[in-house]
Formats: sequence, structure tokens, C-alpha cells
Amino acid sequence: NAGVTQTPKFRVLKTGQSMTLLCAQDMNHEYMYWYRQDPGMGLRLIHYSVGEGTTAKGEVPDGYNVSRLKKQNFLLGLESAAPSQTSVYFCASSTSSGEQYFGPGTRLTVT
Amino acid sequence: GEDVEQSLFLSVREGDSSVINCTYTDSSSTYLYWYKQEPGAGLQLLTYIFSNMDMKQDQRLTVLLNKKDKHLSLRIADTQTGDSAIYFCADKVRDDKIIFGKGTRLHILP
Repeated sequence: NAGVTQTPKFRVLKTGQSMTLLCAQDMNHEYMYWYRQDPGMGLRLIHYSVGEGTTAKGEVPDGYNVSRLKKQNFLLGLESAAPSQTSVYFCASSTSSGEQYFGPGTRLTVT
Repeated sequence: GEDVEQSLFLSVREGDSSVINCTYTDSSSTYLYWYKQEPGAGLQLLTYIFSNMDMKQDQRLTVLLNKKDKHLSLRIADTQTGDSAIYFCADKVRDDKIIFGKGTRLHILP
């Protein structure tokens, strides 16, 4: 039982490049989330999904897109990376009572 | 709007009790959570409390909820060096929305 996994763990992008972050969970959770964590800002919700085939915007969705084609996977895409997207990105999945299980994070630097 | 607030830092001597406080604004909260984040890692769920409870105890952890004052606290008994981390309070305001505080960094003094 791996829980929540994220790939890659680290990435450096140049401004304007694109990339996809992959999140996978093996707990059969319906809800999945993408957050970014910046110093002094806590966790901010980017996008979330309440089930396979559904996505919704969170607090800071601009510049990101997501897809949930399979229940166990939640993908976060950056179409044209900007230095303001330098951050640590966390994926989480949750039970129906809201207990969230987090992945180990992806540290992204955009130069 | 909905908000969760915590103090940013707390220093405690090893062996003492740590008390981390949190206030929230939403009246429709159903569950409140405490998460722990160690350096370079994701958040780990420590414990949670249902909104109709006043207290929950789990080994060294005690959660107190004052729903009237919208105040949540986490007490860690016999604080150890391994408890050094950032602690996040979180509030479930509806099925698809959980609000996190900015985290309290707990520093353990020898």
C-alpha cells in the first residue's frame, strides 16, 4: 500500500516550458487535490476533483490545468511556466470524512 | 470569509507540554484536523475531531474544541525532539472544501 505518490520529486524548468506532475493513490479515494506551498503562505488549493472525470478550481487555479481520467490518478499541468510558479506542489487524496493523505511533494523551480 | 488562524512559532522545553492554538471562522465546520509536517516531507494527519465533540485524546495528543469560541487546540504531552515540526490546523467547511491555517513551527529547547 503505497498511499499517495508523486512524480517527479524535483524539476527545474525554464520560463515558457511546459510540464505535467503526476499524482497516484491506491486507497480508492474519490477526492483528490493539488496544493502549492510557499513560505509564509501556508497551503493554497490549486484544483481539486470529487471523482473520476470531474475537476474544479480552487483558490489559485490560474496558469494550471488538471485532468482526472482515472480514479487513481490526478495530473497537474503547467502549459507555460513562469517564475511565480516556483513552489513545492503537494497532491492529496481524502476519505469521505475529509482526512487527507498527502504525497511527498514536488519541488519545482522555474528560472 | 472562511479563515483559519494560528500563531507562527512556539518554543517549548523538552519534556514540557506543548499547546498549539487555532481559531476558525466558519460556523458550518464538520471536522477539524491537525497535521504535522517535517522538513522536506508532506503533511501527515495526526488527529481530527468531529464538531460535536469537546475533546479527543490519543496517546500524547489531546485535542480540545470550543465550538462557541471557534477555538481548537492541540496539546502534546512530554514534548520530544522528534515533535519539532510545523503543525497545521485545518477546517472542513463542506465536502469539497478544507481550509488550512498557515502553520505553527514548534521548536524544542534542550
